[in-house]
Amino acid sequence: QKEVEQDPGPLSVPEGAIVSLNCTYSNSAFQYFMWYRQYSRKGPELLMYTYSSGNKEDGRFTAQVDKSSKYISLFIRDSQPSDSATYLCAMRVDTGRRALTFGSGTRLQVQP
Amino acid sequence: DAGVIQSPRHEVTEMGQEVTLRCKPISGHNSLFWYRQTMMRGLELLIYFNNNVPIDDSGMPEDRFSAKMPNASFSTLKIQPSEPRDSAVYFCASSLWGADYYSNQPQHFGDGTRLSIL
Repeated sequence: QKEVEQDPGPLSVPEGAIVSLNCTYSNSAFQYFMWYRQYSRKGPELLMYTYSSGNKEDGRFTAQVDKSSKYISLFIRDSQPSDSATYLCAMRVDTGRRALTFGSGTRLQVQP
Repeated sequence: DAGVIQSPRHEVTEMGQEVTLRCKPISGHNSLFWYRQTMMRGLELLIYFNNNVPIDDSGMPEDRFSAKMPNASFSTLKIQPSEPRDSAVYFCASSLWGADYYSNQPQHFGDGTRLSIL
């Protein structure tokens, strides 16, 4: 079993829809949680960065972390065709090893 | 501000040749990470440095892979000899490594080097 699980999709939604992307994880030591967006032939671009549990909002994006359930989510409101990309969740522990553990990525397509 | 800069963007070479990938991290960042991305395995960490010192190289596949960081603004990943199974996209990322959430910064990635070994 992978340390971080993410549904690969593809997820296809109409423009304007609310998108929900999710990851589950098994390592209770993870404290930092990130969402990256990756367009084709580009590097991952940081979208959201949170520490421990709770919600964080930035424009149309909301990140939620539920450490009790080992579950994180990214919500995209009023989705746009330009949101079409692969979304990767990533996480790491608080101290010690600083490397990120990534999910496999969910491919999102927003249809105009 | 300039992001993480990687070169070359594409590399095609024959099996057995030496390959050198280069990375310039974001100015002021003190940690640097090399990742490899493939369809089968996703993004995997190869090695990371803090203050130019290698901290964890447990992800380096084998002795054919080596990485150096001679100064705070430059790192190389070398494969010698290269094999077809090394074909992948190699990413470099950098961040500020601090003691707590407020001094830690998340990793920022370059656009990668797409490596094809024939």
